[in-house]
Amino acid sequence: DGGITQSPKYLFRKEGQNVTLSCEQNLNHDAMYWYRQDPGQGLRLIYYSQIVNDFQKGDIAEGYSVSREKKESFPLTVTSAQKNPTAFYLCASSISWSSYEQYFGPGTRLTVT
Amino acid sequence: SQQGEEDPQALSIQEGENATMNCSYKTSINNLQWYRQNSGRGLVHLILIRSNEREKHSGRLRVTLDTSKKSSSLLITASRAADTASYFCATDLDQGAQKLVFGQGTRLTINP
Repeated sequence: DGGITQSPKYLFRKEGQNVTLSCEQNLNHDAMYWYRQDPGQGLRLIYYSQIVNDFQKGDIAEGYSVSREKKESFPLTVTSAQKNPTAFYLCASSISWSSYEQYFGPGTRLTVT
Repeated sequence: SQQGEEDPQALSIQEGENATMNCSYKTSINNLQWYRQNSGRGLVHLILIRSNEREKHSGRLRVTLDTSKKSSSLLITASRAADTASYFCATDLDQGAQKLVFGQGTRLTINP
């Protein structure tokens, strides 16, 4: 899992509550990414950040928000507007936006009931 | 949009046998990557092959790329129980976006 940490590993929330997933990297990477993975499926891009203080929507950004105030941190907030938030969330980073290889964290499994 | 699609969706073989997984994609690419995911864990990068390369090796892994057919294959030779995992191909969109698009993966089971 390299130098990327995600916490917590498991997270449980009640419907209607916002929840923030942590992602920290000590690899000095410029670019960071958030993906969602549903059972038996591939990864779908939620948000990405090419550099600190900048981020862009991915393919499924609705109901999510992010911030990138520090190079090493890229937290993801799952808002109550996300209609089906239960999923496995993966954070990744790469050396730069032009570097293709991504390094992944161990993931956070979010369950909303 | 589904750029990469792996085939088969699931593969079960005996330890020591070779495992072959395929990936097809729809648009032109700069490169294609293969990642491994152990159950409930993050993805681990295995190998990257550029669009001007046809074959690449890394240990027991062999990747081929056929840009005319828009397909790639991952061969794992002399499989081990520890190779049990899901394998994903990831492609970039050759449109300057440089975002990776992942397929649905092949779930590989190595039986002892």
